[in-house]
Amino acid sequence: GAVVSQHPSRVICKSGTSVKIECRSLDFQATTMFWYRQFPKKSLMLMATSNEGSKATYEQGVEKDKFLINHASLTLSTLTVTSAHPEDSSFYICSASNLGERAEAFFGQGTRLTVV
Amino acid sequence: LAKTTQPISMDSYEGQEVNITCSHNNIATNDYITWYQQFPSQGPRFIIQGYKTKVTNEVASLFIPADRKSSTLSLPRVSLSDTAVYYCLPYTYGSGNTGKLIFGQGTTLQVKP
Repeated sequence: GAVVSQHPSRVICKSGTSVKIECRSLDFQATTMFWYRQFPKKSLMLMATSNEGSKATYEQGVEKDKFLINHASLTLSTLTVTSAHPEDSSFYICSASNLGERAEAFFGQGTRLTVV
Repeated sequence: LAKTTQPISMDSYEGQEVNITCSHNNIATNDYITWYQQFPSQGPRFIIQGYKTKVTNEVASLFIPADRKSSTLSLPRVSLSDTAVYYCLPYTYGSGNTGKLIFGQGTTLQVKP
C-alpha cells in the first residue's frame, strides 16, 4: 500500500533554534498534505494543509510564522518549527491521501520534537 | 463535518470480541465513516470504512444502521497488540476533499491478559 515517510522520527534541539521535519509520499503524488500536532494522551490536532506550489492553509490559532510549511514538489512537504521553545515540544505527524476506492489517509511515523 | 462521540476508554481481555460504538447524529449524506487505529508514538493507521450496513475486512467489521447516526467497530478476539486508540471519523468522499481528517477524542482500548 501507499506509504508516507516522515523524517526525523525524533529530534532534540535547543531553545531558539529551528527544526525542519520532512514528509514524503513514497509511491504516489500528493498535491495536498496535512500536518498534525499531538500532545501526550490527546488527540491529533490539525495544524495546516500543505498545498503543492502554493501557500499553506493554517487552522485557526496556528502561527504561520512559527510553523513554516513548504510543499515544493508532489512528493515532499516540510514543516519548519522556527525559534523553537519548550512549549513547541510535541509529536508532529503528517498525512497524505491517495484518493482511490477507499477514503484512506496515510500517515507518517511521526516526529517527536523536544526543545530544551 | 459531523461531530462524533465515542467512549473515552474501554477495557477488555484477550480473546474477547470488542465493540466500540461511535455516535454521529449529524452525518451528511455524502459522508463515509472511517476508523483509524493509533499506537503510542506512531501515526494513525486506517482500519475500515463504510457507508451503510456491514463491512468486513481482515482486521475488523463495521456496522452502520440504516439511519447512519451511529456506527460500531467490532474487533474479533482481541490480543494484547490491539491495545491502542481508535478513532471514528466522518469522511466527505468526493470532489473537493483532499484527505483532510478532523480527529475527535478517540477511544483508548486496553486489552488485558
